[in-house]
Amino acid sequence: DAGVTQSPTHLIKTRGQHVTLRCSPISGHKSVSWYQQVLGQGPQFIFQYYEKEERGRGNFPDRFSARQFPNYSSELNVNALLLGDSALYLCASSLSSRSETQYFGPGTRLLVL
Amino acid sequence: ILNVEQSPQSLHVQEGDSTNFTCSFPSSNFYALHWYRWETAKSPEALFVMTLNGDEKKKGRISATLNTKEGYSYLYIKGSQPEDSATYLCAPVEGRRALTFGSGTRLQVQP
Repeated sequence: DAGVTQSPTHLIKTRGQHVTLRCSPISGHKSVSWYQQVLGQGPQFIFQYYEKEERGRGNFPDRFSARQFPNYSSELNVNALLLGDSALYLCASSLSSRSETQYFGPGTRLLVL
Repeated sequence: ILNVEQSPQSLHVQEGDSTNFTCSFPSSNFYALHWYRWETAKSPEALFVMTLNGDEKKKGRISATLNTKEGYSYLYIKGSQPEDSATYLCAPVEGRRALTFGSGTRLQVQP
């Protein structure tokens, strides 16, 4: 079975630009969560979506948004990029709730110049 | 935002050594605790989900214990192998909220 997939794997953007990151969950998983990981820290929760509805949001500015599609894949959008948005963005899928085991994708490494 | 502390930050051991790490978290409103292993250039891999005070879980040479009343969990690795080299992350869940990851313990096992 395919695991969680994310695209692109790497991305370079400049300040002020917009970026869209994509995630496909494990087949049968209806929940997708997004995390941001900067060097030296653990992943920080950004969003969770379940059945196309937002179920939770972390402490991130409104420049960050996400959505989930009918096939349960998800997009994370970040507007007006700042240098501090440079990070590894991880997507995780689970059957339903956040308290269940989450299966992580390989991540998208974003560099903002 | 939960205050999650993991210690030590990093650890270097010799092959065959046994080792353990600590994850500390607020004990109020506890719901669950997750442990993950994250090898370089790979995705974080789930090790355990623990929910009950006194829970003990085991997977091969790796085991974990949970004390929800005092707010800590221990992860043990028996007879460390070079392939155990990774960052070990804990993530408590408060209420039914999101996972809050600690900064991890980076383990390096020398052959």
